Amino acid sequence: GAGVSQTPSNKVTEKGKYVELRCDPISGHTALYWYRQSLGQGPEFLIYFQGTGAADDSGLPNDRFFAVRPEGSVSTLKIQRTERGDSAVYLCASSLGGNQPQHFGDGTRLSIL
Amino acid sequence: GENVEQHPSTLSVQEGDSAVIKCTYSDSASNYFPWYKQELGKGPQLIIDIRSNVGEKKDQRIAVTLNKTAKHFSLHITETQPEDSAVYFCAASPPDSNYQLIWGAGTKLIIKP
Repeated sequence: GAGVSQTPSNKVTEKGKYVELRCDPISGHTALYWYRQSLGQGPEFLIYFQGTGAADDSGLPNDRFFAVRPEGSVSTLKIQRTERGDSAVYLCASSLGGNQPQHFGDGTRLSIL
Repeated sequence: GENVEQHPSTLSVQEGDSAVIKCTYSDSASNYFPWYKQELGKGPQLIIDIRSNVGEKKDQRIAVTLNKTAKHFSLHITETQPEDSAVYFCAASPPDSNYQLIWGAGTKLIIKP
C-alpha cells in the first residue's frame, strides 16, 4: 500500500505478557518514529530511527520497551512484562528524512487486562 | 524544553462558517509547525505545515499563519463542511531535535449542519 501500515490494529493481552507491534513505513522513507497516544491527548514521542539505527530513544518510558529496525524498513516495537498503564494507541510514522513531514499509520490499540 | 499549548479544546461552528484554532509555543528557535487532523479510530493525517521562514501558507480552504515574534501559529478553515469534523492537533519541532514533534492537546472541531 501507499501509506504506513501497522499490525495488528488491535491487541488485547493480559498483564505480564509480551507483545510485539509491527510497522511498515512508506517505501523509501528512511526515518521512522514510534509514538504513544492516550485518550484525549496528543501523541507522545517514543523513539526515532534513521535507517537501521535508533537515533533517539529518549522517549521510551523504561527498559520494558524496545524497538528494532534491522533492515531499515519494517520496525517492531516490543513491550515486555506488560502493565495496565501500557494501554494506549501506539502510532508509527515515517518520513523521507529527519526534518521532513511525518506520515502516520492508523495505530495499534493495545489493551492490557 | 519546548511546550505547545492549543486552544480551544472544543470548537463548534455552523456549516459554512470559518473555524480558527490557535497554538502557542515556548522555544523561539522552533522552526517547523505542522497541523494534523485525526478522525476517530484513525492516525493523524498531515493537512498543512509551515516553516519559520514563511508567515502564511494556504491550501484551498485551509491556511496556517505564523507569528514568530508572538510565538503563535493558527489554523484557519473556511467554508467548513461536515467532513471537517475531527480532532485537530498542532505541533512544533525544536531545533535541537528537529525530527521530534511536540504536540498540542488537540481541538475537537464540530461542524453543525
